Amino acid sequence: GQNIDQPTEMTATEGAIVQINCTYQTSGFNGLFWYQQHAGEAPTFLSYNVLDGLEEKGRFSSFLSRSKGYSYLLLKELQMKDSASYLCARSPQTGANNLFFGTGTRLTVIP
Amino acid sequence: DAGVTQSPTHLIKTRGQQVTLRCSPKSGHDTVSWYQQALGQGPQFIFQYYEEEERQRGNFPDRFSGHQFPNYSSELNVNALLLGDSALYLCASTSMGSEGDTQYFGPGTRLTVL
Repeated sequence: GQNIDQPTEMTATEGAIVQINCTYQTSGFNGLFWYQQHAGEAPTFLSYNVLDGLEEKGRFSSFLSRSKGYSYLLLKELQMKDSASYLCARSPQTGANNLFFGTGTRLTVIP
Repeated sequence: DAGVTQSPTHLIKTRGQQVTLRCSPKSGHDTVSWYQQALGQGPQFIFQYYEEEERQRGNFPDRFSGHQFPNYSSELNVNALLLGDSALYLCASTSMGSEGDTQYFGPGTRLTVL
């Protein structure tokens, strides 16, 4: 299998910071995607990492360590609307852009 | 700029029947991938179409087949439906060779098999 692991559920408080971790199989790896999915809706693209390091996009940042097979999504200044599932997905090789998804992390933001 | 569209939104079928789902890619995209998402799970890759041919396939039986048309739209066909085929079917499009090959998803078709 593609061995993508992420926590099933997380809870955080409005205004706080939360980090969602993802580990994946490193062989045949090209890039790491994060998607947000609200209940009953399609996944929406958040970020893509192919090189080691941190990519920042407003309140959301994503980090990748290729050697460790590890990524995280960092959400700052949490808002109630951030309650959703966050899906970690890897692409296996350049040009083969099918994605292998984890089961997703359901984040609940509480007041 | 139209995003990825899918039809129908919802569908109810009985075991043994056949179903066809449709997808139109985002404007400027030429590659369509299909995913199956069971409740509480992440999407699972079914197959991908580019230049009207199946380019890659996930671990799904031959009951799942597809087609891509010259205008890049695509169909997913499932024969001999099983109860376990009940899921959200997602279509995603991208432009082959674009930066990161980021896939953009449609709203999905919710299939219920009774």
